[in-house]
Amino acid sequence: QKEVEQNSGPLSVPEGAIASLNCTYSDRGSQSFFWYRQYSGKSPELIMFIYSNGDKEDGRFTAQLNKASQYVSLLIRDSQPSDSATYLCAVKGSGGYNKLIFGAGTRLAVHP
Amino acid sequence: KAGVTQTPRYLIKTRGQQVTLSCSPISGHRSVSWYQQTPGQGLQFLFEYFSETQRNKGNFPGRFSGRQFSNSRSEMNVSTLELGDSALYLCASSFPQETQYFGPGTRLLVL
Repeated sequence: QKEVEQNSGPLSVPEGAIASLNCTYSDRGSQSFFWYRQYSGKSPELIMFIYSNGDKEDGRFTAQLNKASQYVSLLIRDSQPSDSATYLCAVKGSGGYNKLIFGAGTRLAVHP
Repeated sequence: KAGVTQTPRYLIKTRGQQVTLSCSPISGHRSVSWYQQTPGQGLQFLFEYFSETQRNKGNFPGRFSGRQFSNSRSEMNVSTLELGDSALYLCASSFPQETQYFGPGTRLLVL
């Protein structure tokens, strides 16, 4: 079992729709969770971080965390073609310090 | 604030050579982490430096090493390059915990 799992996609949604990206993790002691967006040929860009169970909203983005189910998700409302990218889920393990464990990423394609 | 900078941006080396990559963190950030990204393995943690000390190391061979200077700038070195070392090498800075911000990366091609 991989430590952080994501569906590779591509996830295709029409412009204006809600895109839902999911991630599960295996380390039950993990405390910090991050979503990065990576455009082709570019480096990852931080979108959201979440530490507590529940929802966290920032503009069109909502991160959801359920530690009991070891599940993190990212919702993108009113999806735009510019949101087309690979979305990486990252988990900071229970070992502390700054080691992030990344999922393989989900490719999102928003079509007009 | 200026972001994380990495030099060089692109490198071409041949097998057996060694390479040194440089990373300057965001001003005030004291932690620098290095990652390798390949199409097959994705983003993998190499090591982290904080206050000139390596705090954590990923599962990479000893050919991969790094260091951090007193101004928090960091370098990583790969010796005896192999074809499989071709990758995008990313550094990320943070202060000194939590959110990590990535630099543009160094794309290394080993021939």
